[in-house]
Amino acid sequence: QSVLTQPPSASGTPGQRVTISCSGSSSNIENNYVDWYQQLPGTAPRLLIYSDDQRPSGVPDRFSGSRSGTSASLAISGLRSEDEADYYCAAWDDSLGGYLVFGGGTKLTVL
Amino acid sequence: QLQLQESGPGLVKPSETLSLTCTVSGGSTSSDRHYWGWIRQPPGKGHQWIGSIYYNGNTYHNPSLKSRVTISMDTSNYQFSLRLRAVTAADTAVYYCARHRRIFGVGPIDSWGQGTLVSVSS
Repeated sequence: QSVLTQPPSASGTPGQRVTISCSGSSSNIENNYVDWYQQLPGTAPRLLIYSDDQRPSGVPDRFSGSRSGTSASLAISGLRSEDEADYYCAAWDDSLGGYLVFGGGTKLTVL
Repeated sequence: QLQLQESGPGLVKPSETLSLTCTVSGGSTSSDRHYWGWIRQPPGKGHQWIGSIYYNGNTYHNPSLKSRVTISMDTSNYQFSLRLRAVTAADTAVYYCARHRRIFGVGPIDSWGQGTLVSVSS
């Protein structure tokens, strides 16, 4: 199983605000930045949020991120049908010499 | 605009070596602002970081794969490569090459290749 824990699914209706959680530990999220990726079916992931709460250029401000303690969250406001995708969190883990770890992913359905 | 493209066999026999190359266009592999890495995603599962390389040749590996992995770089040809030895069916996955930003080391992945499916089967 994945080092970072995400709920397998989430859902919302258009216009709603949805949050996706990512739970880790002291060796990863508590002391390192969290990044979030969006993956549409059959495509490569896209960087959505980096360094906890920074948006790359081109990412709408409907997407926001936060980190507290050993958990992080991705929030999507004003939900749109095109937001239906898989979302993954990632962070550096300081154990075993250090390595990048991912969450198992959350499938977001727009009802 | 930066583009990454994976190339290599789509089918590898068990116990053999998986070899992939990533060709980078629209950017330099000699930049000290980025790392270059490999990530895989088994069918229906989440992502696993395999490892990454810096422009100076320093490499970083997933400890669970480190004994079987070699990552190398050919900056003159804007390419970097992955070799995974002694493969089994568990290594069947979509393999992505990627570029990391350098933020306190191996940072967020801001560019991905399209991915290539590698199946391990006799």
